[in-house]
Amino acid sequence: EAQVTQNPRYLITVTGKKLTVTCSQNMNHEYMSWYRQDPGLGLRQIYYSMNVEVTDKGDVPEGYKVSRKEKRNFPLILESPSPNQTSLYFCASSPLEREWQETQYFGPGTRLLVL
Amino acid sequence: AQSVAQPEDQVNVAEGNPLTVKCTYSVSGNPYLFWYVQYPNRGLQFLLKYITGDNLVKGSYGFEAEFNKSQTSFHLKKPSALVSDSALYFCAVRDISTGGFKTIFGAGTRLFVKA
Repeated sequence: EAQVTQNPRYLITVTGKKLTVTCSQNMNHEYMSWYRQDPGLGLRQIYYSMNVEVTDKGDVPEGYKVSRKEKRNFPLILESPSPNQTSLYFCASSPLEREWQETQYFGPGTRLLVL
Repeated sequence: AQSVAQPEDQVNVAEGNPLTVKCTYSVSGNPYLFWYVQYPNRGLQFLLKYITGDNLVKGSYGFEAEFNKSQTSFHLKKPSALVSDSALYFCAVRDISTGGFKTIFGAGTRLFVKA
């Protein structure tokens, strides 16, 4: 089954404790992206990647890191989480054959609480 | 800067009645517009998109959207609402100024369909 998976689905942590949220897709998509969803703000893009070793900032990259060492994986790293990073996070992927015309496929989401 | 506005936080409609969820956009160049739906505790699912061509776009689950260039709108519509359509709906635009790699989402509109 074609899908985007994220782990963990739920996470409670404390301020300053480094964490990683994994994202993996099995559709051989070039493009992957991370979003955070907050009430009243919709989805805001954190980082995106056009292919292996190619990443760029979205609209809200502060406090986050990403890496793209393999085509299928795009982990999101919070080096020193803070309470304002409490949010619902989504990973997405899409092919780049027709650039921006392509639909994005979303993972199930990771709900993060930073105390 | 590119932007998307969903002017209604919530839309209430009775089952069997037509529904409209509004979206307006601001882009430089040609717009590439998308609608996604989010059911409770799920990731976003693609509904439909406008790239070029016919202004009336048909999508999944009986939804359609009308692209209106003069009013810069891309409203989502369905002739007869179902209770199962109750969900959170997002309008999105690909940011062509960045090569289409960034996506901007509206804040979302929650649709309630009452039996």
